[in-house]
Parts: sequence; structure tokens; C-alpha cells
Amino acid sequence: DSGVTQTPKHLITATGQRVTLRCSPRSGDLSVYWYQQSLDQGLQFLIQYYNGEERAKGNILERFSAQQFPDLHSELNLSSLELGDSALYFCASSVGWIQGAWNEQFFGPGTRLTVL
Amino acid sequence: AQTVTQSQPEMSVQEAETVTLSCTYDTSESNYYLFWYKQPPSRQMILVIRQEAYKQQNATENRFSVNFQKAAKSFSLKISDSQLGDTAMYFCAFMIYGGSQGNLIFGKGTKLSVKP
Repeated sequence: DSGVTQTPKHLITATGQRVTLRCSPRSGDLSVYWYQQSLDQGLQFLIQYYNGEERAKGNILERFSAQQFPDLHSELNLSSLELGDSALYFCASSVGWIQGAWNEQFFGPGTRLTVL
Repeated sequence: AQTVTQSQPEMSVQEAETVTLSCTYDTSESNYYLFWYKQPPSRQMILVIRQEAYKQQNATENRFSVNFQKAAKSFSLKISDSQLGDTAMYFCAFMIYGGSQGNLIFGKGTKLSVKP
């Protein structure tokens, strides 16, 4: 158990809908990362938050957004869902920036999203 | 931009034998981290081993060791005394040390099957 929790474990929804994925980082971790794992694209970085602020964006679609709350949990919002959004969505957390470098990331169990 | 390549989509090994998974990467950075992550059928992402580019000594964690060749931009994983529980997808990943963002860049993965 990494200490990172994600809810829900599974989500089945229809095209055009909107869903919210939730992540609670390990105690003490300030940085949260979201990754998408799909069969065709592999593991891709979506977005990073550090202590409540957006730090970096990767291959995140405009239909997707995220935020990190004062208690450091994070939510990833996916809207106008398409069949191609079906994937495993991982949250990872790390302590953050220490002594000039980012620390290693610990992954949650993932949320399996199926869009029908 | 950084890229990570895993040229072996699938591999198999007999229990108790040794297997080596290959990874090459491309970067213009001089300081970075390299990682191997294991993803068993449960889908959990588990950190296996990590290597700092500034360290010449190859990292070792029990039965897992790496062969890091910085000039060749190669980072292979050796699993000794393979066990059935080693059956999983293995991902090689790269992270810039001290970069503006701390996200991981993953290869496409190698599916390892350990046979009894």
C-alpha cells in the first residue's frame, strides 16, 4: 500500500457525460500528479499540482481539468467524455521539491474509467 | 524533449533464471533520474529501483539490479532468480533532476512472464 488513495476504483459512464476522480496523497506529500494509461498511448503525464498551485501540464485535453484543494487532495474532472477517454487514471504523490530536486513519486491504485 | 524506448514488448523467463529488460532514453539533460516500475495484474504501479544519473555505481535492490550506461543512454534491468510473482509489465521511466516540473516520462513497457 503506497498510502495514496483514489476513488472510485471503477467508473462506467456514457459518452458526453462528466466525471470527477478523486485522489488523496500520502500524508506530508505536497505534490500530486495525474497520469493516464491507455492501450494505445501508454502512460502519459496529464498535470502536476504543488501545494495547491498548478505546476506543469502535459498531454491534458481541454475537456479535462484538475485542482488541488487546501487539504492537498486533488480532483481530476473529465467532461464531454468520448469513447477514447476510457483508460486507467493514476494519481501519484511526492513530498515535492527538496534540496533542488523533485522527489520520487508513489502511485495510487488507479481509477478505471469506461466510457460506453 | 525526452523520450524513453523499451524495445522488447514481451519477454519470458523460466523460474529461478535471470532476465534482462532493456531501456534506452534520449535527453540533452546531464542530470536526471531513471526508474523501473513494475505493474502486476493488479495494475498497481510499484517502484522497483531508481538510479541517479550523477552516480556511477549501478543501483541494486535485492534481486533487482541495473546496468546504467550514461554515454550510451542505456538503462537495463536485471532480475536474478526470477520468481512467479515477478510476472508483470515493467516500465522504464525518466525524470529531470531539478527541472521545473517533476513528472515521469515512461516507455511503452515490457510484459514479462515468469514460467514455472
